[in-house]
Amino acid sequence: DVKVTQSSRYLVKRTGEKVFLECVQDMDHENMFWYRQDPGLGLRLIYFSYDVKMKEKGDIPEGYSVSREKKERFSLILESASTNQTSMYLCASSLPPANEQFFGPGTRLTVL
Amino acid sequence: AQRVTQPEKLLSVFKGAPVELKCNYSYSGSPELFWYVQYSRQRLQLLLRHISRESIKGFTADLNKGETSFHLKKPFAQEEDSAMYYCALIGIQGAQKLVFGQGTRLTINP
Repeated sequence: DVKVTQSSRYLVKRTGEKVFLECVQDMDHENMFWYRQDPGLGLRLIYFSYDVKMKEKGDIPEGYSVSREKKERFSLILESASTNQTSMYLCASSLPPANEQFFGPGTRLTVL
Repeated sequence: AQRVTQPEKLLSVFKGAPVELKCNYSYSGSPELFWYVQYSRQRLQLLLRHISRESIKGFTADLNKGETSFHLKKPFAQEEDSAMYYCALIGIQGAQKLVFGQGTRLTINP
């Protein structure tokens, strides 16, 4: 079974802090994704990566950056957390070209 | 532009009744469509995809290109079907990223 893990289930940070969300997958998938999940808005893509050191902006990249130094790991970085970044963050991975995405359990981030 | 619309945020039906979750999309090419489901306290997972043309947990979905719809149907709802359902699209000619709808929370009443 594909396993996608996220470093934290719950995280509470203060406005202005730098926040790192880590995601690891164990199935050698090329593609990795970061979404945020908000009620009434569905899932919105923040960033995605097709390969190591490659990244592309999704629909809502403002305020976020990513890092992919190893194939299995994809990190989401909030350079200066703000209250409007309070959300559920989901990581996913998949094999190309257009295959099923496997999701992690999510990290619920609260920014105070 | 690719867009997925799920017009119902909430849907409530009684056990044993038919259920239909609506999904409409906009895409100029030939999309690939999916339904994902998230049960309480579980991770989001694939329910079915249109190219498989199979029934999963009694659910089916037919791609209607004329109406640009991909509605999810089940003839007899069960309580364990209560969950959050997301319709999603990949544009075959484009990137490998999914575009999700807003989601529908389905509640099956006993």
